[in-house]
Amino acid sequence: EAQVTQNPRYLITVTGKKLTVTCSQNMNHEYMSWYRQDPGLGLRQIYYSMNVEVTDKGDVPEGYKVSRKEKRNFPLILESPSPNQTSLYFCASSFRQGGDEQYFGPGTRLTVT
Amino acid sequence: DQQVKQNSPSLSVQEGRISILNCDYTNSMFDYFLWYKKYPAEGPTFLISISSIKDKNEDGRFTVFLNKSAKHLSLHIVPSQPGDSAVYFCAASARYSGGGADGLTFGKGTHLIIQP
Repeated sequence: EAQVTQNPRYLITVTGKKLTVTCSQNMNHEYMSWYRQDPGLGLRQIYYSMNVEVTDKGDVPEGYKVSRKEKRNFPLILESPSPNQTSLYFCASSFRQGGDEQYFGPGTRLTVT
Repeated sequence: DQQVKQNSPSLSVQEGRISILNCDYTNSMFDYFLWYKKYPAEGPTFLISISSIKDKNEDGRFTVFLNKSAKHLSLHIVPSQPGDSAVYFCAASARYSGGGADGLTFGKGTHLIIQP
């Protein structure tokens, strides 16, 4: 089944404790991205990647890092999480470029206390 | 500055009637528009799209209309069914004009409630 997977689905952590949210797609898509969804703000792009070893900032990149060492994986790293990073995070991928239809993962609910 | 606007946070429609969700955009570079549907505890799923060379695209019960001069698009659902209750996001990109790397710009969403 073609899909985007994320792990973990739910995570509660404390301020400053480094964490990684994994994302993997099995559709051989070139483009991958991370979004966060907050009440009243919709979906905002954090980082995106056009292909392996090519990443760039989205609209709200502060406090996040990403890497794209393999085509299928695009982990999101929070080096020192803070409470304002409490949010619902979505990974997405598309076949060739970001302007195409993007396919979303199920989401990761992160709470930072 | 919000480039994609969905001015109705919520919309309630009776089952069997038409649901009309609206979206406005400000960026003239946008040439591809999409609607996504999102259920609680799930990721958004692609519903329907339209490119700027068209003014209408239909897929079953779902039709998207684009008015380029007004920078406005709408999603029509006919007839509305209980399973259509969800949050609908409008999104836009400059897919054909070289802005594809930037990805999709989303509106804030409209919560559609279908009442029996």
